[in-house]
Amino acid sequence: GAVVSQHPSRVICKSGTSVKIECRSLDFQATTMFWYRQFPKQSLMLMATSNEGSKATYEQGVEKDKFLINHASLTLSTLTVTSAHPEDSSFYICSAPARDKADADTQYFGPGTRLTVL
Amino acid sequence: AQTVTQSQPEMSVQEAETVTLSCTYDTSESNYYLFWYKQPPSRQMILVIRQEAYKQQNATENRFSVNFQKAAKSFSLKISDSQLGDTAMYFCAFIRTQGGSEKLVFGKGTKLTVNP
Repeated sequence: GAVVSQHPSRVICKSGTSVKIECRSLDFQATTMFWYRQFPKQSLMLMATSNEGSKATYEQGVEKDKFLINHASLTLSTLTVTSAHPEDSSFYICSAPARDKADADTQYFGPGTRLTVL
Repeated sequence: AQTVTQSQPEMSVQEAETVTLSCTYDTSESNYYLFWYKQPPSRQMILVIRQEAYKQQNATENRFSVNFQKAAKSFSLKISDSQLGDTAMYFCAFIRTQGGSEKLVFGKGTKLTVNP
């Protein structure tokens, strides 16, 4: 398999502040990464597709100015939650397809980041 | 648009027994991949098994196997000799085979509890 890391694993912040979450592919290059949000006891909801060297593609209903995505290198994508509010509290997960491995269409997931906004 | 349906929100099984989780999907594509992912209480998504649509042979990974019925658009997961560590949410997922920019489509999940 392939390894994807996320940092931080858990963050608590005050309302109005911004929080950055990092997603890294550790043993493969990822020109594309995906960001999900997961509410308790629910499935993963795709927020956006992060593309290395170009703008992210956001799903309908996701505020791009609220959730800033930067894919600066082939191994790193960041999600910044700007001016966070309590309703942004959630579990955020990233994934990436390991295209340079044999199972190129398989996506591997980071361990997730639990965001709590007070 | 592709959809994935998991009709069993919750299931339980006794340790060492066998359980089958169901999944159906809808697509007009001929080439695609299907996956089962496991999400234990740690919430790390873990790949359980992967099936390529053009392969008729059902995928197996140790105690995990699938029953892939392409015509019926069915993709069930069988867990044999269930273990306590199999307790998790299980998500069925679909992706078209057009490169890494395609999105995974998830079902709503089945919560499996393995009882001692």
